[in-house]
Formats: sequence, structure tokens, C-alpha cells
Amino acid sequence: ILNVEQSPQSLHVQEGDSTNFTCSFPSSNFYALHWYRWETAKSPEALFVMTLNGDEKKKGRISATLNTKEGYSYLYIKGSQPEDSATYLCAFLSNTNAGKSTFGDGTTLTVKP
Amino acid sequence: KAGVTQTPRYLIKTRGQQVTLSCSPISGHRSVSWYQQTPGQGLQFLFEYFSETQRNKGNFPGRFSGRQFSNSRSEMNVSTLELGDSALYLCASSLGPGGPNEQFFGPGTRLTVL
Repeated sequence: ILNVEQSPQSLHVQEGDSTNFTCSFPSSNFYALHWYRWETAKSPEALFVMTLNGDEKKKGRISATLNTKEGYSYLYIKGSQPEDSATYLCAFLSNTNAGKSTFGDGTTLTVKP
Repeated sequence: KAGVTQTPRYLIKTRGQQVTLSCSPISGHRSVSWYQQTPGQGLQFLFEYFSETQRNKGNFPGRFSGRQFSNSRSEMNVSTLELGDSALYLCASSLGPGGPNEQFFGPGTRLTVL
């Protein structure tokens, strides 16, 4: 059973704060890591697909880094806004079973105006 | 381009009944995956279909089954429903199976088993 862990479980920040959270995954048999944002009453939305060690991806104020050798990925949000409030999920895909996404439990971010 | 659609959006069943959920992927997407989310649990992988073939299956009992049609639409079926099957069922489509292919999720079907 693959273990994908996300920390912290929840986070409360003030508008304008920058924040980051972690996704830890097995360091062997890495194939891909996906980040999603899941807002209440909506569908999960893909943020990043990361496949190479050292990958850095950016979309607006959100960026992510990947370290496959040590098995972690960081998601950063610069200057958090209330609309960033959501649960952020990571999903690990192993090269032994590339079609099966193993999700972490997510980090729930609340940004207070 | 229309997104992933799931029907029905809400469903109430009683224990012992069976249920069929439907997922229509984005046009051109040939891979469909199904997930279950129960209160307090993360998304749990159910199955993945590509070109009408089940490529991967999660750790769920045989009461959970699915299929994919030639137009890539997919259905999942749960027989002999149990209270613990109450959950949000999400499907996601992608161009191809797994790996670097971005998944697009539908709105989900909320199943309540009484």
C-alpha cells in the first residue's frame, strides 16, 4: 500500500500571507505527481502535473517544486487571497501502476480577508 | 468544449439495492477513472478504463464493477448496497491512461444509502 501524506492538514492565514504545504510520497518507482485544488461544491481542478526531479511549475501566484529522490513536493502560494481557500490535494502515480492515482488526504487552506 | 458530466447528481437508495452511475468524458478523452470519497477519507481509487478495458482496479470488493463503452462513456455499478457505500463518487477523464496526462473531474454523484 502506497503512503502519500500531506501536511499540514489545515491552515488558516490572513489575506496577503504567503504559505506552503508539503506532499510526501514513496521515493521509489516514481512516475508522476499531480496537484489539484478542490473548492467547496466544485470538482477538483488540476493545478500541476510534475514528472521530472527538480521540476518547478508556476501558475500565477501558485508554484510547485518536486524532489523525487527524497519523495516530496512543495506547493507555494504567494500573497494568498480569499479565493485561494480550498483543499489542495496531491496524487502520486507509480511506474509500476501508472494508471492508479494514490491521493493524499489534502491540506485545507482558509484565507481570511 | 463540454466538461466531464456525471449522472445522476444525487441518489438515495436503501441497503441491498444496486445502483448504476454514469460518466461522460470530455470529447476526445479515452481514459476514465473513478474515485470514492467518504466523510473523513481522501479520494480512493476505484478503477481506470481505457479503450473499453479496465486497466487498473483499487482495493474495493467485487460488488463494485464498471465498464466503458466504445464512445468512452463509462458506468460504474454497485450491487448489494451497504450503509458504508454512502459517498461522493467522482469520475475523471484524460486523453490517455495515467502518468503525465492531466485529469479532468466531473461534478460527482452523491450517493446516500439508507
